[in-house]
Amino acid sequence: EAGVAQSPRYKIIEKRQSVAFWCNPISGHATLYWYQQILGQGPKLLIQFQNNGVVDDSQLPKDRFSAERLKGVDSTLKIQPAKLEDSAVYLCASSSTLAGGETQYFGPGTRLLVL
Amino acid sequence: GNSVTQMEGPVTLSEEAFLTINCTYTATGYPSLFWYVQYPGEGLQLLLKATKADDKGSNKGFEATYRKETTSFHLEKGSVQVSDSAVYFCALKGSNAGGTSYGKLTFGQGTILTVHP
Repeated sequence: EAGVAQSPRYKIIEKRQSVAFWCNPISGHATLYWYQQILGQGPKLLIQFQNNGVVDDSQLPKDRFSAERLKGVDSTLKIQPAKLEDSAVYLCASSSTLAGGETQYFGPGTRLLVL
Repeated sequence: GNSVTQMEGPVTLSEEAFLTINCTYTATGYPSLFWYVQYPGEGLQLLLKATKADDKGSNKGFEATYRKETTSFHLEKGSVQVSDSAVYFCALKGSNAGGTSYGKLTFGQGTILTVHP
């Protein structure tokens, strides 16, 4: 079974530029998550989708971050304009349900450096 | 809100030493608890989990017991190997009083483990 796919793996941009990350979850997984992991910290949820609807985006800086999952499968996370503090690894995860014990499977992440 | 606190690291051990990484949590309702591991150059992988009080999760020689009375989920391994060198994250998935999960994981800050031959 294929895992969670993410691209690109690395991205370097200058502040005020825009950037987009792509995620393809495990086939059949209804729930998709985007996490931000700053160096030395644990991942923090940015946004959570159930199929193509948003379940939780309370931690998403909506003035600069946006995300969509139009067909309930793959997803795109965008930052516009980027700030220095956005330098982090952006992790995509998926799970088949929201159930308490359900495992979330993580992709390899996209490492973003904003100069 | 929910939170997870891990022991401060990094942790450096010799091969075959005993490992404990402490994890305590604050949560309402009935959270599920997880340990994830991140090997160098790789993504986060589930190591083990426990979904209710007194459950013990185990995998690859690692164990952790869900202790509701002390709100803890400490990770242990009796004899570590060089290949266990990685970053370990404790995490919880919250739920409401009715047991409905919120889905998202709340992570601790991670503990770097280095095992020397």
